[in-house]
Amino acid sequence: KAGVTQTPRYLIKTRGQQVTLSCSPISGHRSVSWYQQTPGQGLQFLFEYFSETQRNKGNFPGRFSGRQFSNSRSEMNVSTLELGDSALYLCASSPGAANYGYTFGSGTRLTVV
Amino acid sequence: DQQVKQNSPSLSVQEGRISILNCDYTNSMFDYFLWYKKYPAEGPTFLISISSIKDKNEDGRFTVFLNKSAKHLSLHIVPSQPGDSAVYFCAAEGQGGSEKLVFGKGMKLTVNP
Repeated sequence: KAGVTQTPRYLIKTRGQQVTLSCSPISGHRSVSWYQQTPGQGLQFLFEYFSETQRNKGNFPGRFSGRQFSNSRSEMNVSTLELGDSALYLCASSPGAANYGYTFGSGTRLTVV
Repeated sequence: DQQVKQNSPSLSVQEGRISILNCDYTNSMFDYFLWYKKYPAEGPTFLISISSIKDKNEDGRFTVFLNKSAKHLSLHIVPSQPGDSAVYFCAAEGQGGSEKLVFGKGMKLTVNP
């Protein structure tokens, strides 16, 4: 059974540009969550989508947005990139019910220069 | 406002000894707790979880203890192995099935041969 797939694995962008990251969840999983990991800050929750609807949102500026498609695949977009957006962006999928655990992808390493 | 705290950034133990990783939380609405292990350049991998109705859960070498009154949980690894060297994250989930995991900042465990 395929795991959570995130593309691309690595990305280098310039300040002011925008970027789109992709996440394909485990087949049958309807919930996709996005996290940002930076050194010293752990994993910070960005947002969660369930059945194409944003169900939860973390404390990130509006430059960070996402969406989910009917096949549960999700994309995350960051506009007007800043140096501080450099991080590992992780996607996690779950069946959608509580306490069923989350499976993470390997992440996309974004570097803003 | 950090709701899940891992106050020790690192721990070093000898192979064969016990590793004890601690985690504190402040939100009494959390009812499910998880531990994840993360290697560099990979996504977090689920390790073990515990529901708030239990005070202990064991899986092989890994045992998680929950003290609800103290809002404290710990992960015991016995015996520790060099392959256990990784960053460990404590995470908590709230009631109502909210698909939002709140993570601690992580603790780097090094197991020396």
